[in-house]
Amino acid sequence: QVQLQESGPGLVKPSETLSLTCTVSGGSMRNLYWSWIRQPPGKGLEWIGYISSLGNTNYNPSLKSRVTISVDTSKNQFSLELRTVTAADTAVYYCAKWTYDSGSGYFDLWGRGTLVTVSS
Amino acid sequence: QSVLTQPPSVSAAPGQKVTISCSGSSSNIGNNYVSWYQQFPGAAPKLLIYDNDKRPSGIPDRFSGSKSGTSATLGITGLRTGDEADYFCETWDSSLSTEVFGPGTTVAVL
Repeated sequence: QVQLQESGPGLVKPSETLSLTCTVSGGSMRNLYWSWIRQPPGKGLEWIGYISSLGNTNYNPSLKSRVTISVDTSKNQFSLELRTVTAADTAVYYCAKWTYDSGSGYFDLWGRGTLVTVSS
Repeated sequence: QSVLTQPPSVSAAPGQKVTISCSGSSSNIGNNYVSWYQQFPGAAPKLLIYDNDKRPSGIPDRFSGSKSGTSATLGITGLRTGDEADYFCETWDSSLSTEVFGPGTTVAVL
């Protein structure tokens, strides 16, 4: 059974770069899509972007200038970099598997999430 | 501010039915598939409905989804205390070129 697990620092200073990794266990990453989604405390969900196993990416336009998502299928991992963070980037960050088929896309498997706080 | 609109909360007695609406526009719900997610406090969201009305394996048929025009609806029948959670709709917005989530609806069992 495929599982996802986020890892990375829980505290990042303002103006620095937030870096997270999602490890995929119990299955292959090949021919699939992988995504990052975040949720500020007490608020709703915001899609950050997704990446295919071949490295093709699509980002939320509101974050595109600050975001890079990368994949390493040899390690069964994909990663998120969010540059020049501010307090508004404080959130629980989820990695998720995104299934896309014939015009339909949905997030069918999620990691537990990791809280990242931006503070000096 | 989401481009999708959901009621902040709905409630009903155990055993009853609740429906949660998700209203959008032709750039999102009107021309794209809708999915629904259930989230308990402190936990990750879980896929409940995809392709407007399909249930993943393991999701009971008490949960149903439908779409008409620019609105989608999640229905929960035989309400249980274990259904108390937040529910989010989600779809692609062709104008914004982004996946969008609704603001979420909290279900309370009276």
